[in-house]
Amino acid sequence: GAVVSQHPSWVICKSGTSVKIECRSLDFQATTMFWYRQFPKKSLMLMATSNEGSKATYEQGVEKDKFLINHASLTLSTLTVTSAHPEDSSFYICSASRQSFSNQPQHFGDGTRLSIL
Amino acid sequence: AQTVTQSQPEMSVQEAETVTLSCTYDTSESDYYLFWYKQPPSRQMILVIRQEAYKQQNATENRFSVNFQKAAKSFSLKISDSQLGDAAMYFCACAGADGLTFGKGTHLIIQP
Repeated sequence: GAVVSQHPSWVICKSGTSVKIECRSLDFQATTMFWYRQFPKKSLMLMATSNEGSKATYEQGVEKDKFLINHASLTLSTLTVTSAHPEDSSFYICSASRQSFSNQPQHFGDGTRLSIL
Repeated sequence: AQTVTQSQPEMSVQEAETVTLSCTYDTSESDYYLFWYKQPPSRQMILVIRQEAYKQQNATENRFSVNFQKAAKSFSLKISDSQLGDAAMYFCACAGADGLTFGKGTHLIIQP
């Protein structure tokens, strides 16, 4: 199988704090990892794509200084929401792929529900 | 750029019956891949089935099969013998050089 672990699954914090979300591929090496945001009853919106050892590529409209992505190893990528505010509250999902080729299916983590008070 | 359209926000089917979820897409690429993902209430994204665009044969996975019409850019999902555990959001997705693009999803309800 291809297991992706995402942690934490749910986090509640005060406005102004920074929150780090981890995405780990447990049984394979993930050359590419993706970060998505999903609003209630909506589809997944790609935020950024990260390749191990390289800077992440952000989608248009996504603030890279707000959403810091680090992909330091082939099994771990992190998303840090800096100075989070209530409008950042959402469901964040990561996925990982063995290769950067489009034919490789993405394996998803279980997601993180972020609530900013 | 790729676009994926799912025109059915919600579908309902009786348990043990068959249901078909529609999906159309548009892409300028010649080499691309199509996927159906399932998202149950737990919100985990689960790969249901995938289709390589260069293959004419429709992909099948147990009770799940697709009807891939390349010329029409259509990629529908058929679920046979529907089970209560099939209740979920279903997302159609197209993968190309721009990455993975999702449709808006179809909420599938299974009636016992």
